[in-house]
Order: sequence, then structure tokens, then C-alpha cells
Amino acid sequence: DTGVSQNPRHKITKRGQNVTFRCDPISEHNRLYWYRQTLGQGPEFLTYFQNEAQLEKSRLLSDRFSAERPKGSFSTLEIQRTEQGDSAMYLCASSTGSVFYGLLNTEAFFGQGTRLTVV
Amino acid sequence: QKEVEQNSGPLSVPEGAIASLNCTYSDRGSQSFFWYRQYSGKSPELIMFIYSNGDKEDGRFTAQLNKASQYVSLLIRDSQPSDSATYLCAPEGGGSYIPTFGRGTSLIVHP
Repeated sequence: DTGVSQNPRHKITKRGQNVTFRCDPISEHNRLYWYRQTLGQGPEFLTYFQNEAQLEKSRLLSDRFSAERPKGSFSTLEIQRTEQGDSAMYLCASSTGSVFYGLLNTEAFFGQGTRLTVV
Repeated sequence: QKEVEQNSGPLSVPEGAIASLNCTYSDRGSQSFFWYRQYSGKSPELIMFIYSNGDKEDGRFTAQLNKASQYVSLLIRDSQPSDSATYLCAPEGGGSYIPTFGRGTSLIVHP
């Protein structure tokens, strides 16, 4: 399978615990995005990487959230001191970032997501 | 004002009909526009993208873009029950090229 891979698929944790999610993008993709989605809403942007550089973070990303992409390949998203409001689907997507006829190719392909439940 | 506006629906159409899904966006700098389909409990799946004003057809799907009106739409011809899903409009942000999603329109195709 050469698509975007996310682990774990499901995570149940107690409030106050730390959790870490992993995303393996499509191998030739240098842009990687994290989104969060709650029921009835579209995906909300959290952060993105161009290779190993984290270039933008949403205001939604509080100090309890941190993301890394140490070698420009896989990425991790950590949530510290989880709260019930963190319960959501966490989605990772990747795109090539290549230029096609003068336009940046930003077609993003999603992984299956990690569903987090904080109890 | 929200960046991407979509009618949440549900939009209900009979099998074989044309489903029309609409989206408006606020960022005039957006150059690329994406439509994703999301089945319940699954992640979004890219089905169409469009860069230029006008229509782009791919099988039963037609995307339409009007940058002057900041409007993009998706037409699904010969709708099938398997098309029942939420359709997400995602213009890419003009400055950072990050896809920004609307809340999606729920489509129900009934036999």
C-alpha cells in the first residue's frame, strides 16, 4: 500500500494523559498536513510541513499540541494533558508540492485518520 | 465571514438525477480548488480538482469554477446511491497553498 498511513487508527485515553500519533506520507510527497475533524464539520487545518520544516500553525494548535517531521519523512503529532474537547478525528494528508504548468501541485491525499476519544 | 461556505444539506435527489453542490470562498488569491468525497466514518477522498475558470469534466462529475464570483460547484450526473456521502469543497489558501475546507454538503441519493 503506497498511500498515506496513520497509526493508531483508534485511541482512547484518560483526560490528562499524553498521546502521540504517527503519519507516514506518500514517499515522494514533501508537503504534509495535519487536520482535525469533529462530527458535522469539515477538516480544520492544524499545521503543515514542507520537508522537515514546520511552516505554518493554526491558532487552533494550542501549546499542548506539538508536531514534528524530523527527517522530512514521517510525522508525529503529540497532544499533552489531553482534554475532552480534544476528542476528534485527526487526519494527516500529503501532497507533492511540485510545480505543474506554473502552478504548485497541492492535491492532498488523506490517510485513514486517528480517532481520539478522551474520557 | 467563513472562508469557505457550503450548504450543509442534506441534499436529497432521486437515483439517476443530477446533483448540484455549491461552494463560495473568500480568498481571492486561491488558485486551485478541490472537491473531496467523504463517506461516514471514513477520511476524505479527492475526486476532482480545477484550476481554470469554466468547466472540467471527469466521468459523471463536472466541476465549475468562476473566480470573479468566487464560486465553485460540482455536478454529479446520473446520481447513484453509492454517491451518498458528504462532499467537501477545498480551495487552497492563496498565500500558503493549504487546502481549506468547508463543512461539507451531505448528499443522499435515494433509489
